[in-house]
Amino acid sequence: GQNIDQPTEMTATEGAIVQINCTYQTSGFNGLFWYQQHAGEAPTFLSYNVLDGLEEKGRFSSFLSRSKGYSYLLLKELQMKDSASYLCAVRVNTGFQKLVFGTGTRLLVSP
Amino acid sequence: ETGVTQTPRHLVMGMTNKKSLKCEQHLGHNAMYWYKQSAKKPLELMFVYSLEERVENNSVPSRFSPECPNSSHLFLHLHTLQPEDSALYLCASSQSGTGAYNEQFFGPGTRLTVL
Repeated sequence: GQNIDQPTEMTATEGAIVQINCTYQTSGFNGLFWYQQHAGEAPTFLSYNVLDGLEEKGRFSSFLSRSKGYSYLLLKELQMKDSASYLCAVRVNTGFQKLVFGTGTRLLVSP
Repeated sequence: ETGVTQTPRHLVMGMTNKKSLKCEQHLGHNAMYWYKQSAKKPLELMFVYSLEERVENNSVPSRFSPECPNSSHLFLHLHTLQPEDSALYLCASSQSGTGAYNEQFFGPGTRLTVL
């Protein structure tokens, strides 16, 4: 089966750094995505990792270790607008490529 | 219109009603998806269409019936639903193939309430 775990909720302060972890056990791994979803809105693409290592994109970075089945999303210089759910999704190839999502981590940024 | 649009944004229906959800993508993609999002549960993939052919049907009850008349439009026909079907239904599209990203772009969703 496919299983993705991430914390349910996290809190942080404006200006701080937060790391959201994601562990997965899947078959047919073909990349890992992070999406951001504000309440009542569509998920929007943040980052993609398919090889081990760190991908940096402005204030957001994402890391992948395929041997450990582990990824994290790092958010720096937190802003109030970063309060949202962060979804970890693994792309698997089971005849057709599809995304398997975790339950999402709700991040609350306080002043 | 740009991106992925969905109508209606909100829908309340009784268990005996028949309704349809509509999704349209303006990105030139060739794959479209229906997902169900319930509180405290992961996004659940329901159906996948690639090049207008259904390639995935994730054991979804027959009261949900998808239709993909062309690569830009996707429908989800609903009939005799149950209260537990109340959820946010999200449509997404992507370019299928061996590209590095091929990330999925999501619509804003339809919030469905079944009474």
